[in-house]
Amino acid sequence: ELKVEQNPLFLSMQEGKNYTIYCNYSTTSDRLYWYRQDPGKSLESLFVLLSNGAVKQEGRLMASLDTKARLSTLHITAAVHDLSATYFCAVDITGNQFYFGTGTSLTVIP
Amino acid sequence: DAMVIQNPRYQVTQFGKPVTLSCSQTLNHNVMYWYQQKSSQAPKLLFHYYDKDFNNEADTPDNFQSRRPNTSFCFLDIRSPGLGDAAMYLCATSSGRYNEQFFGPGTRLTVL
Repeated sequence: ELKVEQNPLFLSMQEGKNYTIYCNYSTTSDRLYWYRQDPGKSLESLFVLLSNGAVKQEGRLMASLDTKARLSTLHITAAVHDLSATYFCAVDITGNQFYFGTGTSLTVIP
Repeated sequence: DAMVIQNPRYQVTQFGKPVTLSCSQTLNHNVMYWYQQKSSQAPKLLFHYYDKDFNNEADTPDNFQSRRPNTSFCFLDIRSPGLGDAAMYLCATSSGRYNEQFFGPGTRLTVL
């Protein structure tokens, strides 16, 4: 059974600090997705990583994928309050099914 | 703007009373998905349609059914909702296998 684990599950960080969220998955996949979810809202697509070594950046967020290590990272630079949300990674190995990670609840405090 | 629309946004039903949730899309995507997300949990795939081909996840309860009458619309029917079915139900679409999924705003279901 595929497992997609995120670390940490909960993250409280001060504004201006940097931090990294990790997403490990247990089977081979070349595709990984990052989503953001605000409380009570739907999922917003952040990044689509389609190959080993892929790196994408948008604003204060940068995502990378290492398919050999089965690891993706979401790096936060100089956090601001607006980044407070739950972040999910998702792996697609069958072409029709996303296996979501456990989620990381991020709180950025002043 | 092309989008995924879900109706209603909030649905309250009584224990055992059938309920139908609706999803429509203007993206003309082949694939439509239904996910269940309980509080503080990750979304869990219930089933998906690839065009008209229905694919049920092995652990989706029989209480959950789906219909896709055309490319644009997909429905989730819960035949006899239980208290444990209270959740956010998310519809998503994609243009094909291994492609990014686009999510609708969700329907929050409450079962009394």
